[in-house]
Amino acid sequence: GENVEQHPSTLSVQEGDSAVIKCTYSDSASNYFPWYKQELGKRPQLIIDIRSNVGEKKDQRIAVTLNKTAKHFSLHITETQPEDSAVYFCAAMGNFNKFYFGSGTKLNVKP
Amino acid sequence: DSGVTQTPKHLITATGQRVTLRCSPRSGDLSVYWYQQSLDQGLQFLIQYYNGEERAKGNILERFSAQQFPDLHSELNLSSLELGDSALYFCASSTSGGKETQYFGPGTRLLVL
Repeated sequence: GENVEQHPSTLSVQEGDSAVIKCTYSDSASNYFPWYKQELGKRPQLIIDIRSNVGEKKDQRIAVTLNKTAKHFSLHITETQPEDSAVYFCAAMGNFNKFYFGSGTKLNVKP
Repeated sequence: DSGVTQTPKHLITATGQRVTLRCSPRSGDLSVYWYQQSLDQGLQFLIQYYNGEERAKGNILERFSAQQFPDLHSELNLSSLELGDSALYFCASSTSGGKETQYFGPGTRLLVL
């Protein structure tokens, strides 16, 4: 089955700096890669997603890049703000609609 | 508020017992997903239903079962509960169950003593 690895597990940045979270996957059949943000005590919320026929997608301060050859995808947050502090999960949808999640990255944005 | 509702919010029970968690998807969504989130294992995909039919199966134990009813609400049944089943159980819904946004409910926190 699919295996999704996510790094780093924790990330601390200064407000205004950029943050990058990386995920790798093992199944070349995976074709959909969402990113979720989960604030403390709250539900996960989709922040951006990318399909395998696209290399990059951007939404304001958030961007995701996908390298199908290397089987990795990354989340980029620019001009970080304290409200970006949360746990971020990457996921990959593999064969038969199964979802596999990374282990999460706790992002702390220091004011 | 995502429009997905889950009941109960909290559940405390004993080992060996059986519980049922309930989820109502957003209006118009045909697909329901169940996830387990524990401290040491992150988010685990359990199972997906689409319009009453099972569509995808993840790491769901044989002691667990689920179904989606004609009105599209879903129930997750957990039986012969063990201490390790203590976790936050999320339900999510989406329109057609494909490569699209999933909207998560608030979760049910299960504590097995």
